[in-house]
Amino acid sequence: GAVVSQHPSWVICKSGTSVKIECRSLDFQATTMFWYRQFPKQSLMLMATSNEGSKATYEQGVEKDKFLINHASLTLSTLTVTSAHPEDSSFYICSARTSGRENTGELFFGEGSRLTVL
Amino acid sequence: DAKTTQPTSMDCAEGRAANLPCNHSTISGNEYVYWYRQIHSQGPQYIIHGLKNNETNEMASLIITEDRKSSTLILPHATLRDTAVYYCIVDQAGTALIFGKGTTLSVSS
Repeated sequence: GAVVSQHPSWVICKSGTSVKIECRSLDFQATTMFWYRQFPKQSLMLMATSNEGSKATYEQGVEKDKFLINHASLTLSTLTVTSAHPEDSSFYICSARTSGRENTGELFFGEGSRLTVL
Repeated sequence: DAKTTQPTSMDCAEGRAANLPCNHSTISGNEYVYWYRQIHSQGPQYIIHGLKNNETNEMASLIITEDRKSSTLILPHATLRDTAVYYCIVDQAGTALIFGKGTTLSVSS
């Protein structure tokens, strides 16, 4: 199946700094990518929908100025957590569908990026 | 909000079939049933999906009732590596998937 890769797999940063997480579709083009967040022992929560070449659509309660999403190409979307605080510590996961197969259903997920803010 | 109801947890003996139920009584005509699983600290893994007909692939079988209000994921010969949280999701194709709490399947020897 198609491969989605995230980098870094884990990151530790100091409070107040910004962290960028990359999501790449390695063997397919993705016009749309989705970003999720998962706290310990909880399910995945959709944060935003990232569309290539346009602004991301954020879910209710997700601060767009804090979680900056850029989808500059058909194979790369980035999530930047700005001025990170300990409560932003979480597992961030991206996903994508293949272009031209948006209606086939299968959503491919990255391995996840674990952020710890000290 | 998730549109599905799943048991919180299930146990299965290694080598036996694991049958994971899911209720989705409010499913609409254009919504698919998706199954994903998540092994600890990894991203979700696609298993199978269907609209009306039963589906089978190398990982599992999906049985959807005729009224489409419930479905069952079948892992025919569970192994220890199948221990994971299994998510049943109902949604239209092309949209983001909204995850519920899923079923924690524990496979033991």
